[in-house]
Amino acid sequence: NAGVTQTPKFRVLKTGQSMTLLCAQDMNHEYMYWYRQDPGMGLRLIHYSVGEGTTAKGEVPDGYNVSRLKKQNFLLGLESAAPSQTSVYFCASSYKASGSGTRPPVSSYNEQFFGPGTRLTVL
Amino acid sequence: AQKITQTQPGMFVQEKEAVTLDCTYDTSDPSYGLFWYKQPSSGEMIFLIYQGSYDQQNATEGRYSLNFQKARKSANLVISASQLGDSAMYFCAMRERGYQKVTFGTGTKLQVIP
Repeated sequence: NAGVTQTPKFRVLKTGQSMTLLCAQDMNHEYMYWYRQDPGMGLRLIHYSVGEGTTAKGEVPDGYNVSRLKKQNFLLGLESAAPSQTSVYFCASSYKASGSGTRPPVSSYNEQFFGPGTRLTVL
Repeated sequence: AQKITQTQPGMFVQEKEAVTLDCTYDTSDPSYGLFWYKQPSSGEMIFLIYQGSYDQQNATEGRYSLNFQKARKSANLVISASQLGDSAMYFCAMRERGYQKVTFGTGTKLQVIP
C-alpha cells in the first residue's frame, strides 16, 4: 500500500498562473481533505469530500477549487495563484465516521492518514 | 471560539525526562475523538494516539499517553523518557460525532536537549 500520495512535491508559480495538485489514496477511504499549513497557524482546512462526486468548503476555501471524480483521487486547483497561497499543502484521507445507534461513532478508525505534503511558492 | 487550544508554542525537555504537552478543547457534542500527531522537521504528519470521549481509561501507546480530563476538557499528551528523535511539532486535533471535519490546534514545538 502506498497510503496517501501527493503530486508534485515542490512547485514554484508566478502570480496569476494556475496549477492542480493531485492527491491519491489506495485505502478505500470515503473522506478526503485538503489542508494548508502556515507557520504559527497549524493546519487549516481548505476543502473536503465525503465521497465520490461530493465536495464541501472548509475554513479557507477562497481561491481554490476541488474535484473528486474518483473515490481514490482528490484534486486541488488554483485558478490564479497569489503570493498569499504560498504554503505547504497536505492531503489527508480517513474512513467515514459512523453515527448510528449508541456505539461511540468516533474511534481510532477515524484517524486521518496524511500525504507527504506539497511545498508551493508563488512569486 | 477556538475548538482546540494549544497554549505552548515551544517547549524544551531534557533527554530521558518526561514532558507534558497541553491541549484543551471546546465542544458540546458528547461524542468526539481526540488525536495527537507528530510532525518532524521532514514534514510528514505521523499519528500518535487517540482518545475517545466514551473511553473509560486514558489512552497509551508505548511512550505516549494521553491525560484525558473530560470535565476540564483537556487532553494533554505525555511523552515519557524523551529521546532526541522526539524533537518535532506536535498537533492536537478533534473530530466530533458525525462531523466530517477535523479541527487542529496551532501546535507545540518540542525540543529535546541532550
